Amino acid sequence: GNSVTQMEGPVTLSEEAFLTINCTYTATGYPSLFWYVQYPGEGLQLLLKATKADDKGSNKGFEATYRKETTSFHLEKGSVQVSDSAVYFCALRPSDGQNFVFGPGTRLSVLP
Amino acid sequence: DVKVTQSSRYLVKRTGEKVFLECVQDMDHENMFWYRQDPGLGLRLIYFSYDVKMKEKGDIPEGYSVSREKKERFSLILESASTNQTSMYLCASSGSGNTDTQYFGPGTRLTVL
Repeated sequence: GNSVTQMEGPVTLSEEAFLTINCTYTATGYPSLFWYVQYPGEGLQLLLKATKADDKGSNKGFEATYRKETTSFHLEKGSVQVSDSAVYFCALRPSDGQNFVFGPGTRLSVLP
Repeated sequence: DVKVTQSSRYLVKRTGEKVFLECVQDMDHENMFWYRQDPGLGLRLIYFSYDVKMKEKGDIPEGYSVSREKKERFSLILESASTNQTSMYLCASSGSGNTDTQYFGPGTRLTVL
């Protein structure tokens, strides 16, 4: 079946540090891949997406590249800020189905 | 700007009460979803709907029902609330294309006493 695996954290970084949150997936065909962010007490917001192999999604300094050969979609940011503290979810939408599959989420805390 | 709204941000109910959670989307999306989110358990799909009057069970439908009488509105019903249904409830919607994004509402924090 379809699944998403990501590091659960928590991840604690100092401001301006480099961020990587690993995400790997299992799916048939060519799923679309997403990163969502959830701030405390809020719903999930789309951060970025990629819909085919080698696509790079980017937004607000975050980037992730769709790697078909390694079935990965790792999230990166060169210099994190305190305001990036949140929970980050990796997700996929199968090419042959309707329902999204979410990873367990990674809590990020950025200290000043 | 895309928008999914939920009727309440916070709700407190008593055991045995019937509870309605309402969700409205303004994007003309075919698909709508209800999830619950609990610490350590991630997002779990309760029910989803592909079209008006259509519904499908998700991973944890027990104790819940849904209603979709209009395309823009998807309701989650707890027929007889129990304390183990205390949770954050998230509604979402998406188009039917396999590259379409799922958009979420702000969530309803339900406490059952």
